Amino acid sequence: IQMTQSPSTLSASVGARVTITCQASQDISYYVSWYQQKPGKAPKLLIYDASKLETGVPSVFSGSGSGTHFTFTISSLQPEDFATYYCQQYENLPLTFGGGTKVEIK
Amino acid sequence: EVQLVQSGAEVKKPGESLKISCKTSGYSFTNFWIAWVRQMPGKGLEWMGIIYPSDSDTRYSPSFQGQVTISVDESISTSYLQWSSLRASDTAMYYCARRDHNSSNWGGLDPWGQGTLVIVSS
Repeated sequence: IQMTQSPSTLSASVGARVTITCQASQDISYYVSWYQQKPGKAPKLLIYDASKLETGVPSVFSGSGSGTHFTFTISSLQPEDFATYYCQQYENLPLTFGGGTKVEIK
Repeated sequence: EVQLVQSGAEVKKPGESLKISCKTSGYSFTNFWIAWVRQMPGKGLEWMGIIYPSDSDTRYSPSFQGQVTISVDESISTSYLQWSSLRASDTAMYYCARRDHNSSNWGGLDPWGQGTLVIVSS
């Protein structure tokens, strides 16, 4: 299953609302997670089952979608949110990641 | 606290063998799938495979089948990723991660180890 993530790079200002999308090559129900990765660090799970917030993750992050189209939103970008974000499907093996979206400071 | 602690960075020559480790603690090791993920320099995440420690049921990505071996030692709650003959193209950061206990189906991955950098160079 291919996960097509867009955009690959996004420039935004502090306080902006940003949205990242992932398109699956086939129906994957709601089996999508979203991760944040900062330079030199391991990825961190933010969203699972497409829309559920992992424990301890700020509610500024949200996810939605089902089937083949999924979105990840940061409602108000904070300085600590500048990072790379990945989607991942887990409907079937092999698990696959999107190509990533680097969120940069504008 | 659930923790995955990986072994340290390695510098190897092409053709050499290597086994890196992922020691877990804070939960029942046998009850959660452990995945391995590759990240080549400046690139994205690639899922390599997954193992269920209770019975060592192992599934590989077709891209990595036959190239690596994933295993566990239940007695020390540790998973391993090994190569029999390294190539320069194996240079990457390798992460282990546990299946997230909240997720459905195969699940997301949480938490992650800190990563092991493998450099293969002559």
